[in-house]
Amino acid sequence: GEDVEQSLFLSVREGDSSVINCTYTDSSSTYLYWYKQEPGAGLQLLTYIFSNMDMKQDQRLTVLLNKKDKHLSLRIADTQTGDSAIYFCAESHSSASKIIFGSGTRLSIRP
Amino acid sequence: DTAVSQTPKYLVTQMGNDKSIKCEQNLGHDTMYWYKQDSKKFLKIMFSYNNKELIINETVPNRFSPKSPDKAHLNLHINSLELGDSAVYFCASSRTSGAYNEQFFGPGTRLTVL
Repeated sequence: GEDVEQSLFLSVREGDSSVINCTYTDSSSTYLYWYKQEPGAGLQLLTYIFSNMDMKQDQRLTVLLNKKDKHLSLRIADTQTGDSAIYFCAESHSSASKIIFGSGTRLSIRP
Repeated sequence: DTAVSQTPKYLVTQMGNDKSIKCEQNLGHDTMYWYKQDSKKFLKIMFSYNNKELIINETVPNRFSPKSPDKAHLNLHINSLELGDSAVYFCASSRTSGAYNEQFFGPGTRLTVL
């Protein structure tokens, strides 16, 4: 079956890098996503990666994909207080199929 | 302009009541979704409609009935509300012809059943 797992909490110091990890079980996943949920708001797509890529960089965000181990990570460089949120890893088979979300990782920033 | 809007934002009601949540998107998307997020923030898809047709119907009690009058609207009606229905309900929309499934989420409706 399809399953996406993440650790529930991560605490980092302001200015450090945050690395949020995710594992998934479905080897036919084609698209892998990172969504961000700020308090009291809906989810917002941060970035995505195709399964035939192993890395994608977008400003402070770096996504790494290890397809063999079915492991996805999101690195946020120079973490700021505005990065405090819940980060959801997600996967889908195609652009039209449903998205399976992980449980979310709550990122908190300490001064 | 709000892309995906939901009403109401908060809903407090008694057990056994029937209530509806409305969702509208002005993005021109052809697919809309309802998700339930529980108190631990787990997000589960409930329904998905594509061009007003039901395409995803997860294991949801039949007390929940979605209705899509047109591509821009997807409403959720809940009969005989139970305590376990308390959650935040998110509507989302996407364009299925896109290269990837970017879903745009509404702000959520926090339902509290007393």
